[in-house]
Amino acid sequence: DAGITQSPRHKVTETGTPVTLRCHQTENHRYMYWYRQDPGHGLRLIHYSYGVKDTDKGEVSDGYSVSRSKTEDFLLTLESATSSQTSVYFCAISDIKDSIKSAEAFFGQGTRLTVV
Amino acid sequence: DQQVKQNSPSLSVQEGRISILNCDYTNSMFDYFLWYKKYPAEGPTFLISISSIKDKNEDGRFTVFLNKSAKHLSLHIVPSQPGDSAVYFCAAKRDFGNEKLTFGTGTRLTIIP
Repeated sequence: DAGITQSPRHKVTETGTPVTLRCHQTENHRYMYWYRQDPGHGLRLIHYSYGVKDTDKGEVSDGYSVSRSKTEDFLLTLESATSSQTSVYFCAISDIKDSIKSAEAFFGQGTRLTVV
Repeated sequence: DQQVKQNSPSLSVQEGRISILNCDYTNSMFDYFLWYKKYPAEGPTFLISISSIKDKNEDGRFTVFLNKSAKHLSLHIVPSQPGDSAVYFCAAKRDFGNEKLTFGTGTRLTIIP
């Protein structure tokens, strides 16, 4: 199993509060991703990173920010949590398999976030 | 706009029989396809993949078929086992550099003993 640790695994927070989720990897993979999983929507990309301090938006990035100051850590911040951000959040990592192709992504165990 | 579609939210199959999970895509730029399996309270795990230069890839009990003209792929599991009960996600990407995965909505497979 790829070395990916997400913390916390579960969190309940109040509307309007900031929340930070952490993803830590020990694989030295270049690329890191944050997805959310919701019924009827599958997995949707929030933000991703292609290197230290290099990040970009995914398809559902509104209300979220990310930071990557070290190769091994990728933080997802909900700036002011809303009930619509209640979801299961997954971190994933991948790397280049040869000069142009990226390998499959490996996922963490997920963080269940409830905003009340 | 759902670029990767799994139109069957659920599927039940008898143990020992074949399970067939289907996936359709609309983006003709996709040329690399993957299947992930997910158990409750766990992250998705990679199962099998196929490049658009092939029409079939086999790994043990799992075979993925790709029909590019129809923009359709399927995952065959034979024989189905109780441990195969999970949610299966189809995903697609351009097989170039750091292209991100686009996922379908998933199919819950239940294997009936």
